Amino acid sequence: NAGVTQTPKFRVLKTGQSMTLLCAQDMNHEYMYWYRQDPGMGLRLIHYSVGEGTTAKGEVPDGYNVSRLKKQNFLLGLESAAPSQTSVYFCASRGTGNQRSSSYEQYFGPGTRLTVT
Amino acid sequence: DAKTTQPPSMDCAEGRAANLPCNHSTISGNEYVYWYRQIHSQGPQYIIHGLKNNETNEMASLIITEDRKSSTLILPHATLRDTAVYYCIVSPTNTGNQFYFGTGTSLTVIP
Repeated sequence: NAGVTQTPKFRVLKTGQSMTLLCAQDMNHEYMYWYRQDPGMGLRLIHYSVGEGTTAKGEVPDGYNVSRLKKQNFLLGLESAAPSQTSVYFCASRGTGNQRSSSYEQYFGPGTRLTVT
Repeated sequence: DAKTTQPPSMDCAEGRAANLPCNHSTISGNEYVYWYRQIHSQGPQYIIHGLKNNETNEMASLIITEDRKSSTLILPHATLRDTAVYYCIVSPTNTGNQFYFGTGTSLTVIP
């Protein structure tokens, strides 16, 4: 049981290049999330998904697109990278369990460190 | 914007209890209080959550005031491994369960 994995771990892009970050979870979770964390800041929600085939905007969605074609995967795309998108990107997932239990906790991946020059 | 206010930093002696406060004066009736922590640059880790009753698990205790406008996370016997940034988050129970992280409290456990 690997939990939440993210690919790649590190990446350097030039301004204007595109890339896709992959998040995979093996816990059969319905909900998945993409966050970014800038130095000295807390995490900010980019996009999230409440199930296969669904996506929704979070707090800072501009410049990103997402897709959830399979329940276990949540992809984050940058169509034209900008230096302002230099950040650490975290993916998370959670189940639809009972609020009385810890199954409402979000499980986070190890992060992807992206630098845009 | 984050709906919580936390002190930016705190110190605690190893072996002593660490009491981390959080203000959430605008909390709604359907919102839970969650606590997560982030050690170094790893992904955040769930600690505990509650609605209005005090909660305890193997990691910590959560004390929520009767008016629910503030809470305190208690690590009963802090160790050096508890040095981390602690985030207090309020979130509704509806679908999506979006989390808005603030800047948290940086806890340093001192030997």
